[in-house]
Amino acid sequence: GQQVMQIPQYQHVQEGEDFTTYCNSSTTLSNIQWYKQRPGGHPVFLIQLVKSGEVKKQKRLTFQFGEAKKNSSLHITATQTTDVGTYFCAGPAAGNKLTFGGGTRVLVKP
Amino acid sequence: EAQVTQNPRYLITVTGKKLTVTCSQNMNHEYMSWYRQDPGLGLRQIYYSMNVEVTDKGDVPEGYKVSRKEKRNFPLILESPSPNQTSLYFCASSGYPTYGYTFGSGTRLTVV
Repeated sequence: GQQVMQIPQYQHVQEGEDFTTYCNSSTTLSNIQWYKQRPGGHPVFLIQLVKSGEVKKQKRLTFQFGEAKKNSSLHITATQTTDVGTYFCAGPAAGNKLTFGGGTRVLVKP
Repeated sequence: EAQVTQNPRYLITVTGKKLTVTCSQNMNHEYMSWYRQDPGLGLRQIYYSMNVEVTDKGDVPEGYKVSRKEKRNFPLILESPSPNQTSLYFCASSGYPTYGYTFGSGTRLTVV
C-alpha cells in the first residue's frame, strides 16, 4: 500500500535559524497537506497543495509540492519557539483514506 | 465555535471491558475518521465514514467498531479492549473526502 515517509524524524534548531523537512510518497498524490501538532495537542491543518510544482507561503513557512507530485517540503525561516511541535504531511490513498507520514518533531534551542 | 468534541479525554480500563469513545462535530461535515497515534508510528487511520450509515475500514481496524447513525456523531467502540490498544485516539472531520481535517482534542486510553 501507499507509504508516506518524512525526514528527518527529529530536528533540533537554534532559534533564528532556517530548516527544511521533507515528505516522500511511494505513489503519485492528487494532493499533499501539512498539519502541525503542538506538544500535548492535536493535529491542526495548515495547508493543502494540489498542483505540480506548487509553492505556498504562510508567513515564515514555505510549502512546496514536487514536480512529480510524489514529494513535498516544508521550509521554516528564522525559527521561533512557537514553531515547536511535530509537523505531519499527509496524502490521500485509495478508498478515501488519508495516509500520514511519521512526522518531524521540531525542537527549538533558545 | 466550530469543533470536534471527543469524550472522555482520559480513560483507564481493564482488559475485556467494553468501552465507547464518543465523537461529535458541529460543522455539518460529511467525512469523519478515527486515528490512533503511537510513538514512532505517526497517525494511523482506524475507520472512516463518508456519510450516515457509510463506513469503511482504515489501515488498523482490528478490534474496533464504529457507527454513523447521525451525521454529527461517530463513536468508536472497543468491544473487548486489549493492552495493545493503549494509545492516543483522535477523531477528525472534514467537508472534503481527503483533506482539511479538523481534529478533536484526543482521548488517551490505557488498557491494563
